[in-house]
Amino acid sequence: DTGVSQDPRHKITKRGQNVTFRCDPISEHNRLYWYRQTLGQGPEFLTYFQNEAQLEKSRLLSDRFSAERPKGSFSTLEIQRTEQGDSAMYLCASSSTRISYNEQFFGPGTRLTVL
Amino acid sequence: QKEVEQNSGPLSVPEGAIASLNCTYSDRVSQSFFWYRQYSGKSPELIMSIYSNGDKEDGRFTAQLNKASQYVSLLIRDSQPSDSATYLCAAYSGNTGKLIFGQGTTLQVKP
Repeated sequence: DTGVSQDPRHKITKRGQNVTFRCDPISEHNRLYWYRQTLGQGPEFLTYFQNEAQLEKSRLLSDRFSAERPKGSFSTLEIQRTEQGDSAMYLCASSSTRISYNEQFFGPGTRLTVL
Repeated sequence: QKEVEQNSGPLSVPEGAIASLNCTYSDRVSQSFFWYRQYSGKSPELIMSIYSNGDKEDGRFTAQLNKASQYVSLLIRDSQPSDSATYLCAAYSGNTGKLIFGQGTTLQVKP
């Protein structure tokens, strides 16, 4: 049983650089979510996909952020021109609409540090 | 007002005691509620889901939901030092697809 996987697990970058994260959901799950978590806070929703369609985007997702899920399987989250305020844990979760009530299962996260 | 509120703690209980964690939510359209456990430096792990008013038990964990009072709780019986973690309460609204999380309650179980 393979859970949600994320790559890389850690990323250190300099301010102004672009970064891209990948998420592979649980294989039978058709929904995929991105959240961001900073120290001492709960995860904050960024965006989600059902299959390949991006159905919801948070106002937190500025123009510098873009997410894709081109074939309805894995997803990428790109941050352009990173800022120090982007430093956080980026979490991916997946769920299945065939299971009631949308239980979401998280991957290990990608910890981003912007210097 | 935050949509999901939790006391940040820390909540300290002795080993073997019952730990009681509480959560309130503001959105009456929230349909289902979840408790996640998060160890330091790790990602959230789903431990309980509850959708209907009343209690739901799973091993040492009992989740309680009162939709009229907009209140969710998690009881951990026979607390162990390995239960020491941050517990996140989350509410799901089918309208948006997203989970709204509280800030989490830190639980410390002392041997």
